Amino acid sequence: AQTVTQSQPEMSVQEAETVTLSCTYDTSESDYYLFWYKQPPSRQMILVIRQEAYKQQNATENRFSVNFQKAAKSFSLKISDSQLGDAAMYFCAYRRQGAGNMLTFGGGTRLMVKP
Amino acid sequence: EPEVTQTPSHQVTQMGQEVILRCVPISNHLYFYWYRQILGQKVEFLVSFYNNEISEKSEIFDDQFSVERPDGSNFTLKIRSTKLEDSAMYFCASIEGSSYNEQFFGPGTRLTVL
Repeated sequence: AQTVTQSQPEMSVQEAETVTLSCTYDTSESDYYLFWYKQPPSRQMILVIRQEAYKQQNATENRFSVNFQKAAKSFSLKISDSQLGDAAMYFCAYRRQGAGNMLTFGGGTRLMVKP
Repeated sequence: EPEVTQTPSHQVTQMGQEVILRCVPISNHLYFYWYRQILGQKVEFLVSFYNNEISEKSEIFDDQFSVERPDGSNFTLKIRSTKLEDSAMYFCASIEGSSYNEQFFGPGTRLTVL
């Protein structure tokens, strides 16, 4: 079974600074997808960024980028120029290749942004 | 922009009562899911549904749980006899069908069992 681990229960960052959230996973599959979801206090799950395992290039979405290390099974999220609105729970998630497969989530990292 | 909707936003029930949580997935989506998040814990998969049947379920999804797509739009999760430990946030999600696509989540239903 796949597992996803987020070793940082809480992180804090100064506004406008950069922060990196860590995620490791365990799988025997070679094709899969990795995701970072943001969960603000409203509890709605919002997709931040996704990475296909077959792609060597790291995904980027504006201020958000990932460092995907397939051999190490590591998938970290970097947030640049942090904003107060970035404060939330962040969940790393894994999904096997295949349209209907479910997401397996990590335990989450609470990010606090200091003004 | 299309979105997944869920009703009610908050449901309070007595232990042993039946509850039905409702979801309206995005209209052209083919796969549907229920996840649950106990307060302060990770999001856990319950069940996935495709072509009018369960395609996968977790060990959490025991005989007390059932899912149904009673018409072309609604997707429901029924808990037959609620327990205190069923108190959680329940999220519905749907996906268009392509392996590449993301799962879109609804805003969740907070279930409180007293």
